[in-house]
Amino acid sequence: DTGVSQDPRHKITKRGQNVTFRCDPISEHNRLYWYRQTLGQGPEFLTYFQNEAQLEKSRLLSDRFSAERPKGSFSTLEIQRTEQGDSAMYLCASSTGLAPPQGGGQYFGPGTRLLVL
Amino acid sequence: GESVGLHLPTLSVQEGDNSIINCAYSNSASDYFIWYKQESGKGPQFIIDIRSNMDKRQGQRVTVLLNKTVKHLSLQIAATQPGDSAVYFCAETPIPGSARQLTFGSGTQLTVLP
Repeated sequence: DTGVSQDPRHKITKRGQNVTFRCDPISEHNRLYWYRQTLGQGPEFLTYFQNEAQLEKSRLLSDRFSAERPKGSFSTLEIQRTEQGDSAMYLCASSTGLAPPQGGGQYFGPGTRLLVL
Repeated sequence: GESVGLHLPTLSVQEGDNSIINCAYSNSASDYFIWYKQESGKGPQFIIDIRSNMDKRQGQRVTVLLNKTVKHLSLQIAATQPGDSAVYFCAETPIPGSARQLTFGSGTQLTVLP
């Protein structure tokens, strides 16, 4: 399978605990994105990496959230001191960064569903 | 603020009929649009994209139409099949290639009736 993969697929945690999610992008993609999706809504952008550099962060990304992509390959998203409002699907996407028609599209992984009790 | 929205939250069609899903956008800087399909419990699946220098693009059983004058795009699915049942999102980004983020609409639930 050469698509975007995410781990774990599901995570249940208690309020106040820290959680970390991993994303492995499509191997030739140098751009990686994190989104959050709540029930019945479209995904909302959180942050974006080009190679190992984090180039953009949404206002949704509070100081409890941190993302890394140390070697420009896989990425991790950590949430510290989780709150019930953090319960959502966390999606990772990757792209080549090339303009269409060669590129442009972002391809999503299956997501990590987080439930904070 | 700028947003991408959908006209209808739900759409039911008979198997074999054509489906049309609509989307309005408000960001005049939008230059690139993507339609995604999302099945329950899965991540969004890329269906088809279109740049603003085009008004129509066709894929396998799908066609995307873009009307920049009224800031509207649509996804047409020919001969709709049960496997097409899903939520469909349109998404936009101002600058393809250098795009950093997608702005999604809230989605349309497509149900294919037997």
